[in-house]
Amino acid sequence: NAGVTQTPKFRVLKTGQSMTLLCAQDMNHEYMYWYRQDPGMGLRLIHYSVGEGTTAKGEVPDGYNVSRLKKQNFLLGLESAAPSQTSVYFCASSYSVGAPDTQYFGPGTRLTVL
Amino acid sequence: QQPVQSPQAVILREGEDAVINCSSSKALYSVHWYRQKHGEAPVFLMILLKGGEQKGHDKISASFNEKKQQSSLYLTASQLSYSGTYFCGIPLSPSNTGKLIFGQGTTLQVKP
Repeated sequence: NAGVTQTPKFRVLKTGQSMTLLCAQDMNHEYMYWYRQDPGMGLRLIHYSVGEGTTAKGEVPDGYNVSRLKKQNFLLGLESAAPSQTSVYFCASSYSVGAPDTQYFGPGTRLTVL
Repeated sequence: QQPVQSPQAVILREGEDAVINCSSSKALYSVHWYRQKHGEAPVFLMILLKGGEQKGHDKISASFNEKKQQSSLYLTASQLSYSGTYFCGIPLSPSNTGKLIFGQGTTLQVKP
């Protein structure tokens, strides 16, 4: 099993450009999450999904959109990138619905917006 | 709403012990602990549930004090491999335990 994978690993954008980050998991997990990590801020939840076709806002959703068309994939989109979105983005997934469960993280995507 | 971790950073020699605390201003239903090594993804350590349950992972254990709304992570006889940043995560509600809010992290450095 590959676990949780993220594409791409690195990306540099100019202000105003758009891009999509792809997260894929092969563990048949129901829940999927997108986090951003900035120095001294810990992990902050952007959006999450509790199942195929569903999405919900997290702590810092502004400037991002997500889609979960297939159970194994969770896409994070930036429509008009801003320098404040320079960060490391982590995707995670977990199996259990409604009970505390382990989150498995992907390797991360380092995004720089110039 | 973000849990507060203390200390922010700690430096140890191999074999020394450390305690990392995680405090919440809201009621705790469970506490999740993760470790992240530099340049890598966070990795799950353990989950603690209501009831003051204590769990262990190798020589790392944790407690959960529901009354104090606090959890503590105990690293005993630390090894070089324990170096990294430790995060606690708490669910926002008992009905949505998948949605975690993480603390700002505690950086642990173990020196030979």
